[in-house]
Amino acid sequence: SQQGEEDPQALSIQEGENATMNCSYKTSINNLQWYRQNSGRGLVHLILIRSNEREKHSGRLRVTLDTSKKSSSLLITASRAADTASYFCATDNTSYGKLTFGQGTILTVHP
Amino acid sequence: DTAVSQTPKYLVTQMGNDKSIKCEQNLGHDTMYWYKQDSKKFLKIMFSYNNKELIINETVPNRFSPKSPDKAHLNLHINSLELGDSAVYFCASSQSHRVGEKLFFGSGTQLSVL
Repeated sequence: SQQGEEDPQALSIQEGENATMNCSYKTSINNLQWYRQNSGRGLVHLILIRSNEREKHSGRLRVTLDTSKKSSSLLITASRAADTASYFCATDNTSYGKLTFGQGTILTVHP
Repeated sequence: DTAVSQTPKYLVTQMGNDKSIKCEQNLGHDTMYWYKQDSKKFLKIMFSYNNKELIINETVPNRFSPKSPDKAHLNLHINSLELGDSAVYFCASSQSHRVGEKLFFGSGTQLSVL
């Protein structure tokens, strides 16, 4: 069964605005990762947050994790047209590194 | 010098045929994976190998057979292709299969079964 579910399914914003994507999951996890997929390409790792962390930053990315609500959010600040892509959360609740992906949020940033 | 490369990028074939997809990584990683992405973008793990040893084998029809001749290569052979096999197949690798490793993906093979 699907572990991570992203919300919204699609998000359309103007350049310079912030984009927030959410991910909910069902079981306890070891860590949660966010990936980006440009059209026709493979996924690229963005950031990993461990279950004992609440917030993490990387450049214009900010990830939060609320294990009590089993949810995470990815915030992209000052978005650019180049941020247009699908964003996936992936969770790991095993001892052997099995990542389970959600269906992704399609982000469109208009110039 | 692509880190994870898979071939072919596109594969169009008839139902019932047998086809293979090849994957190679030059990152020195121990673990490699096959993922399937369906038309709704849902990405599901199929197999993982660590240093040529099968680690993950999800509920995948036995028409799908992975083969890892060495830790830098993981190929996927599919027998008797069906319409439902149409999808994008991604190869990926990671340093190990320990918890917390990040995955490096290839650019995908779009398989169309007619």
